Amino acid sequence: KAGVTQTPRYLIKTRGQQVTLSCSPISGHRSVSWYQQTPGQGLQFLFEYFSETQRNKGNFPGRFSGRQFSNSRSEMNVSTLELGDSALYLCASSSDRVLYEQYFGPGTRLTVT
Amino acid sequence: DQQVKQNSPSLSVQEGRISILNCDYTNSMFDYFLWYKKYPAEGPTFLISISSIKDKNEDGRFTVFLNKSAKHLSLHIVPSQPGDSAVYFCAASDGGTSYGKLTFGQGTILTVHP
Repeated sequence: KAGVTQTPRYLIKTRGQQVTLSCSPISGHRSVSWYQQTPGQGLQFLFEYFSETQRNKGNFPGRFSGRQFSNSRSEMNVSTLELGDSALYLCASSSDRVLYEQYFGPGTRLTVT
Repeated sequence: DQQVKQNSPSLSVQEGRISILNCDYTNSMFDYFLWYKKYPAEGPTFLISISSIKDKNEDGRFTVFLNKSAKHLSLHIVPSQPGDSAVYFCAASDGGTSYGKLTFGQGTILTVHP
């Protein structure tokens, strides 16, 4: 079974721009969660989608948004990028059978200049 | 407010010996606990999990122990191998509709010397 895939792997954007990151979960997984990893804050939960609905949301500003499609693929969008948004963005999926066991993709490294 | 804490930033162990990684939590609503291993610039790799109804779970060289009264869990790796060198994160979930939200500790860098 293929793992979680994320595209692109690396991205450089300018402050004020917006960015869209994509995640394809493991086949059959309907839950997709997004996390931000920075050196100072560690791994922080952004949001979780299940069957196209946002089920949980972390403490991030409204500039961070996401969505999930009917095939469980998910995208996250960050608008009006700030320097502090530079981070590794990780996507994880889990099965209905064991919802808390999340399997992570390789991440997208976003650099904002 | 850090609900999951890994108080040791780093741990150094000799190959073949036991590695013990520790994690403390404050939220009594946490129901499930997990350990992940992470290399730089890669996503975390799931290692082992434990539910709050158990106090021990084993999978090969990895054993996780949970002490609910102390709000403490630990990961034992026996025997340790140089390939185990990585950052280890503990994570917790409070179940219900929050299964999809994991709260992570800050990580412990494990170095296993040949």
